[in-house]
Amino acid sequence: GNSVTQMEGPVTLSEEAFLTINCTYTATGYPSLFWYVQYPGEGLQLLLKATKADDKGSNKGFEATYRKETTSFHLEKGSVQVSDSAVYFCALSDPSLTGANNLFFGTGTRLTVIP
Amino acid sequence: DSGVTQTPKHLITATGQRVTLRCSPRSGDLSVYWYQQSLDQGLQFLIQYYNGEERAKGNILERFSAQQFPDLHSELNLSSLELGDSALYFCASSVELAGGVETQYFGPGTRLLVL
Repeated sequence: GNSVTQMEGPVTLSEEAFLTINCTYTATGYPSLFWYVQYPGEGLQLLLKATKADDKGSNKGFEATYRKETTSFHLEKGSVQVSDSAVYFCALSDPSLTGANNLFFGTGTRLTVIP
Repeated sequence: DSGVTQTPKHLITATGQRVTLRCSPRSGDLSVYWYQQSLDQGLQFLIQYYNGEERAKGNILERFSAQQFPDLHSELNLSSLELGDSALYFCASSVELAGGVETQYFGPGTRLLVL
């Protein structure tokens, strides 16, 4: 079946530190991979996505590369800001077998960036 | 603002009661997804509707049901509520092109508290 395993949090970093949030997946077909971010009191926003192996998604300084050989999609940012404090969710969609585009989410990683 | 609206924002009710959550998708989006976010289960897919018809089902209880109306808005009905149904319920929408992987845009959620 489909599942996502995400690095447990919480993660606390100082401003300008390097961020890595690990994400690995299991899928039966050819999944697309996503990172969503949830700011306090808000819904989920798409941060970035990658639809095939070796694709790199990037947005707002965040990057993640779809690694089929390691079934991973780790999120990275070179220099975090206080405004990056949020919960980050790794997710996959695998419509290749069932045609359904529903998302399978990891457990979420809470990031707190301190000045 | 994702363009997806959900009402109400908060809902407090008692065990055994029935509630209806409403979602209006982004203009032009034909597909609506419902997700439940709870502390113990994380973010789980419940059900998807596409242009008025049920497309996919996830971990949705028999006490829960949904529908999508001709104007494409959707309602999630939760009945015989239990304490464990307390959660944040998200609606998401996408265009859902055939064979494509579409970005899902999430609403702000409805927070349900069952007392």
